[in-house]
Amino acid sequence: AQSVTQLGSHVSVSEGALVLLRCNYSSSVPPYLFWYVQYPNQGLQLLLKYTSAATLVKGINGFEAEFKKSETSFHLTKPSAHMSDAAEYFCAVSRSSNTGKLIFGQGTTLQVKP
Amino acid sequence: NAGVTQTPKFQVLKTGQSMTLQCAQDMNHEYMSWYRQDPGMGLRLIHYSVGAGITDQGEVPNGYNVSRSTTEDFPLRLLSAAPSQTSVYFCASSYPGRMNTEAFFGQGTRLTVV
Repeated sequence: AQSVTQLGSHVSVSEGALVLLRCNYSSSVPPYLFWYVQYPNQGLQLLLKYTSAATLVKGINGFEAEFKKSETSFHLTKPSAHMSDAAEYFCAVSRSSNTGKLIFGQGTTLQVKP
Repeated sequence: NAGVTQTPKFQVLKTGQSMTLQCAQDMNHEYMSWYRQDPGMGLRLIHYSVGAGITDQGEVPNGYNVSRSTTEDFPLRLLSAAPSQTSVYFCASSYPGRMNTEAFFGQGTRLTVV
């Protein structure tokens, strides 16, 4: 069975500091991996996705993530946090290209302090 | 572009009442899904559909029914609402395919059962 674990339900950084949100997955087959962002009272917006092409994936708003098979990780990073990055972030996995069946992590709320 | 449209945005129900959450997409996506979001639990899959006339259960299907008579619409029915069904519900749609796979989400329906 697939599962996703996001380490840390809340992460706080200062504006301009590095953002690191952790995601570990388990999957018996090569996974498809996603990071979504949710702003207050909004739906989910795709930040980036890994679909077995390049292991370093660049997304929107300066975010990127690296797929590390040996560590079963897909951590999300951004070199310099901006106040507008404050939101909830979700890591998700699917078994195949059937993205109708996503397994989500618990979510990480990112707080950005001025 | 409308994308994925959910109605209503907010709803309060009394225990035992029934209702239907509407979801429509205009992207001709084959896959459609319903998730519920609860604090600290991420999003959990309720039901999904891989095409008109085909539905299947997700992780938390009890108390919910779905049907898919058209490609565009995927309503979620609560048969007899319970307080445990208080949640935010998201509908998503996607098109299967290795390179373009991505799930698009609606804005959500916030349901309170009293």
